[in-house]
Amino acid sequence: QKEVEQDPGPLSVPEGAIVSLNCTYSNSAFQYFMWYRQYSRKGPELLMYTYSSGNKEDGRFTAQVDKSSKYISLFIRDSQPSDSATYLCAMRQGGKLIFGQGTELSVKP
Amino acid sequence: DAGVIQSPRHEVTEMGQEVTLRCKPISGHNSLFWYRQTMMRGLELLIYFNNNVPIDDSGMPEDRFSAKMPNASFSTLKIQPSEPRDSAVYFCASINGIHPGTQYFGPGTRLLVL
Repeated sequence: QKEVEQDPGPLSVPEGAIVSLNCTYSNSAFQYFMWYRQYSRKGPELLMYTYSSGNKEDGRFTAQVDKSSKYISLFIRDSQPSDSATYLCAMRQGGKLIFGQGTELSVKP
Repeated sequence: DAGVIQSPRHEVTEMGQEVTLRCKPISGHNSLFWYRQTMMRGLELLIYFNNNVPIDDSGMPEDRFSAKMPNASFSTLKIQPSEPRDSAVYFCASINGIHPGTQYFGPGTRLLVL
Protein backbone atom coordinates (compact mmCIF):
# COMPACT_ATOMS: atom_id res chain seq x y z
CA GLN A 1 0.00 0.00 0.00
CA LYS A 2 1.31 3.42 -0.93
CA GLU A 3 1.74 5.98 1.82
CA VAL A 4 -0.29 8.51 -0.16
CA GLU A 5 -3.23 7.47 -2.33
CA GLN A 6 -4.78 9.73 -4.96
CA ASP A 7 -7.29 8.90 -7.66
CA PRO A 8 -5.50 9.57 -10.97
CA GLY A 9 -8.70 10.46 -12.80
CA PRO A 10 -9.00 11.83 -15.41
CA LEU A 11 -11.68 14.19 -14.14
CA SER A 12 -13.63 16.29 -16.63
CA VAL A 13 -15.97 19.09 -15.52
CA PRO A 14 -17.77 22.00 -17.22
CA GLU A 15 -16.55 25.55 -16.69
CA GLY A 16 -17.93 27.04 -13.49
CA ALA A 17 -18.26 23.72 -11.66
CA ILE A 18 -16.93 23.08 -8.18
CA VAL A 19 -14.10 20.58 -8.25
CA SER A 20 -13.14 18.32 -5.36
CA LEU A 21 -9.77 16.58 -5.36
CA ASN A 22 -8.80 14.18 -2.58
CA CYS A 23 -5.94 12.23 -1.08
CA THR A 24 -5.70 9.73 1.73
CA TYR A 25 -2.57 8.84 3.62
CA SER A 26 -1.48 6.18 6.05
CA ASN A 27 1.37 7.80 8.02
CA SER A 28 0.04 9.75 10.99
CA ALA A 29 3.46 11.42 11.35
CA PHE A 30 2.81 13.63 8.31
CA GLN A 31 2.40 17.23 9.44
CA TYR A 32 2.63 19.48 6.40
CA PHE A 33 0.21 18.98 3.54
CA MET A 34 0.59 20.54 0.14
CA TRP A 35 -1.11 20.73 -3.22
CA TYR A 36 0.97 21.18 -6.33
CA ARG A 37 -0.33 21.99 -9.81
CA GLN A 38 1.43 20.67 -12.88
CA TYR A 39 0.62 21.93 -16.35
CA SER A 40 1.39 19.70 -19.31
CA ARG A 41 5.11 19.38 -19.98
CA LYS A 42 6.01 21.62 -17.02
CA GLY A 43 7.37 21.06 -13.53
CA PRO A 44 4.99 21.02 -10.54
CA GLU A 45 4.40 24.33 -8.76
CA LEU A 46 3.16 24.83 -5.22
CA LEU A 47 -0.48 25.86 -5.05
CA MET A 48 -1.28 25.67 -1.33
CA TYR A 49 0.07 24.24 1.88
CA THR A 50 -1.42 23.67 5.31
CA TYR A 51 -0.04 22.53 8.62
CA SER A 52 -2.99 21.71 10.80
CA SER A 53 -6.44 20.25 10.45
CA GLY A 54 -9.07 22.61 9.12
CA ASN A 55 -9.56 24.79 6.07
CA LYS A 56 -7.34 27.28 4.30
CA GLU A 57 -8.65 29.54 1.54
CA ASP A 58 -6.80 31.31 -1.25
CA GLY A 59 -9.07 32.89 -3.81
CA ARG A 60 -11.04 30.16 -5.59
CA PHE A 61 -9.04 27.43 -3.86
CA THR A 62 -9.71 25.84 -0.48
CA ALA A 63 -7.48 23.21 1.10
CA GLN A 64 -8.96 21.01 3.77
CA VAL A 65 -7.16 18.65 6.13
CA ASP A 66 -8.76 16.04 8.38
CA LYS A 67 -5.95 14.42 10.35
CA SER A 68 -8.28 12.13 12.27
CA SER A 69 -9.40 10.54 8.99
CA LYS A 70 -6.01 10.96 7.28
CA TYR A 71 -7.76 12.71 4.43
CA ILE A 72 -7.01 15.93 2.58
CA SER A 73 -8.99 17.76 -0.08
CA LEU A 74 -8.62 20.61 -2.51
CA PHE A 75 -11.73 22.43 -3.67
CA ILE A 76 -11.77 24.68 -6.71
CA ARG A 77 -14.73 27.04 -7.02
CA ASP A 78 -15.89 28.51 -10.32
CA SER A 79 -13.46 26.31 -12.22
CA GLN A 80 -11.88 27.78 -15.35
CA PRO A 81 -10.34 26.15 -18.44
CA SER A 82 -7.01 27.53 -17.20
CA ASP A 83 -7.35 25.22 -14.17
CA SER A 84 -6.89 22.23 -16.48
CA ALA A 85 -3.78 20.52 -15.14
CA THR A 86 -2.65 17.63 -12.99
CA TYR A 87 -3.01 18.25 -9.26
CA LEU A 88 -0.65 16.43 -6.91
CA CYS A 89 -1.01 16.21 -3.17
CA ALA A 90 2.19 16.03 -1.17
CA MET A 91 3.10 15.45 2.45
CA ARG A 92 6.28 16.24 4.26
CA GLN A 93 8.23 13.45 5.91
CA GLY A 94 11.38 14.78 7.51
CA GLY A 95 13.25 16.70 4.85
CA LYS A 96 11.44 15.24 1.87
CA LEU A 97 8.00 15.26 0.26
CA ILE A 98 5.90 12.20 -0.54
CA PHE A 99 3.66 12.82 -3.55
CA GLY A 100 0.36 11.30 -4.56
CA GLN A 101 -0.10 9.91 -8.05
CA GLY A 102 -1.74 13.14 -9.25
CA THR A 103 -5.28 13.75 -10.57
CA GLU A 104 -5.64 14.98 -14.13
CA LEU A 105 -8.32 17.66 -14.34
CA SER A 106 -9.90 19.00 -17.50
CA VAL A 107 -12.28 21.99 -17.35
CA LYS A 108 -14.35 22.27 -20.52
CA PRO A 109 -15.52 25.71 -21.76
CA ASP B 1 15.25 35.00 -10.69
CA ALA B 2 16.17 32.34 -13.25
CA GLY B 3 14.54 29.48 -11.36
CA VAL B 4 15.87 25.93 -11.34
CA ILE B 5 17.72 25.20 -14.56
CA GLN B 6 17.95 21.71 -16.03
CA SER B 7 19.80 20.44 -19.07
CA PRO B 8 19.29 18.91 -21.48
CA ARG B 9 15.55 19.38 -21.85
CA HIS B 10 15.27 16.32 -24.04
CA GLU B 11 17.55 13.32 -24.39
CA VAL B 12 17.21 10.36 -26.70
CA THR B 13 19.79 7.64 -26.33
CA GLU B 14 20.30 3.96 -26.99
CA MET B 15 20.25 1.24 -24.40
CA GLY B 16 23.63 0.82 -22.77
CA GLN B 17 24.74 4.40 -23.21
CA GLU B 18 25.66 6.71 -20.34
CA VAL B 19 23.26 9.55 -19.64
CA THR B 20 24.10 12.63 -17.56
CA LEU B 21 21.42 15.06 -16.43
CA ARG B 22 22.35 18.42 -14.99
CA CYS B 23 20.73 20.80 -12.56
CA LYS B 24 21.45 24.29 -11.30
CA PRO B 25 19.36 25.10 -8.21
CA ILE B 26 18.09 28.54 -7.29
CA SER B 27 20.87 30.63 -5.77
CA GLY B 28 20.78 30.51 -1.97
CA HIS B 29 18.79 27.28 -1.78
CA ASN B 30 20.53 24.67 0.36
CA SER B 31 18.54 21.53 -0.48
CA LEU B 32 18.27 19.83 -3.85
CA PHE B 33 16.01 16.98 -4.91
CA TRP B 34 16.01 14.65 -7.91
CA TYR B 35 12.67 13.12 -8.94
CA ARG B 36 11.54 10.76 -11.67
CA GLN B 37 8.01 10.94 -13.10
CA THR B 38 6.25 8.24 -15.10
CA MET B 39 2.61 7.55 -15.85
CA MET B 40 2.74 4.27 -13.96
CA ARG B 41 4.58 5.35 -10.82
CA GLY B 42 3.92 9.08 -10.61
CA LEU B 43 6.51 11.41 -9.08
CA GLU B 44 9.18 9.51 -7.16
CA LEU B 45 11.99 10.99 -5.11
CA LEU B 46 15.32 9.51 -6.12
CA ILE B 47 17.76 11.36 -3.86
CA TYR B 48 18.10 14.63 -2.02
CA PHE B 49 21.03 16.71 -0.82
CA ASN B 50 21.28 19.19 2.01
CA ASN B 51 24.24 21.59 1.92
CA ASN B 52 25.73 19.47 -0.88
CA VAL B 53 25.65 16.28 1.21
CA PRO B 54 23.46 13.33 0.13
CA ILE B 55 20.88 12.79 2.87
CA ASP B 56 18.56 10.11 1.51
CA ASP B 57 19.24 8.03 -1.58
CA SER B 58 16.78 5.27 -0.78
CA GLY B 59 14.80 6.09 -3.90
CA MET B 60 17.68 5.46 -6.28
CA PRO B 61 16.47 2.38 -8.16
CA GLU B 62 19.78 0.57 -8.53
CA ASP B 63 23.51 0.95 -8.82
CA ARG B 64 23.21 2.16 -12.39
CA PHE B 65 22.05 5.48 -10.95
CA SER B 66 24.40 7.90 -9.23
CA ALA B 67 24.13 11.54 -8.23
CA LYS B 68 26.64 14.15 -7.19
CA MET B 69 26.55 17.69 -5.92
CA PRO B 70 30.10 19.05 -6.06
CA ASN B 71 29.03 22.56 -5.03
CA ALA B 72 25.98 24.57 -4.07
CA SER B 73 25.18 25.56 -7.65
CA PHE B 74 25.44 22.29 -9.56
CA SER B 75 24.27 18.70 -9.41
CA THR B 76 24.31 15.75 -11.80
CA LEU B 77 22.30 12.56 -12.08
CA LYS B 78 24.02 9.85 -14.07
CA ILE B 79 22.62 6.61 -15.46
CA GLN B 80 25.15 4.06 -16.64
CA PRO B 81 24.27 1.90 -18.47
CA SER B 82 20.84 3.21 -19.46
CA GLU B 83 17.90 0.87 -20.09
CA PRO B 84 14.53 1.43 -21.83
CA ARG B 85 12.73 1.28 -18.45
CA ASP B 86 14.64 4.42 -17.41
CA SER B 87 12.59 6.42 -19.90
CA ALA B 88 10.81 9.11 -17.86
CA VAL B 89 10.81 12.80 -17.06
CA TYR B 90 13.47 13.67 -14.51
CA PHE B 91 12.91 16.75 -12.36
CA CYS B 92 15.26 18.65 -10.14
CA ALA B 93 13.88 20.82 -7.33
CA SER B 94 15.43 23.09 -4.73
CA ILE B 95 14.39 24.70 -1.46
CA ASN B 96 16.01 27.08 0.99
CA GLY B 97 15.19 24.80 3.88
CA ILE B 98 13.10 27.24 5.86
CA HIS B 99 9.72 26.81 4.22
CA PRO B 100 8.55 23.22 4.62
CA GLY B 101 6.82 22.65 1.34
CA THR B 102 7.86 25.16 -1.28
CA GLN B 103 10.05 23.09 -3.51
CA TYR B 104 10.79 24.91 -6.73
CA PHE B 105 10.88 22.52 -9.65
CA GLY B 106 12.85 22.82 -12.84
CA PRO B 107 11.28 22.22 -16.25
CA GLY B 108 12.45 18.61 -16.32
CA THR B 109 14.50 16.47 -18.68
CA ARG B 110 12.50 14.16 -20.90
CA LEU B 111 14.59 10.99 -21.34
CA LEU B 112 13.89 8.32 -23.91
CA VAL B 113 16.07 5.22 -23.96
CA LEU B 114 15.64 3.14 -27.11
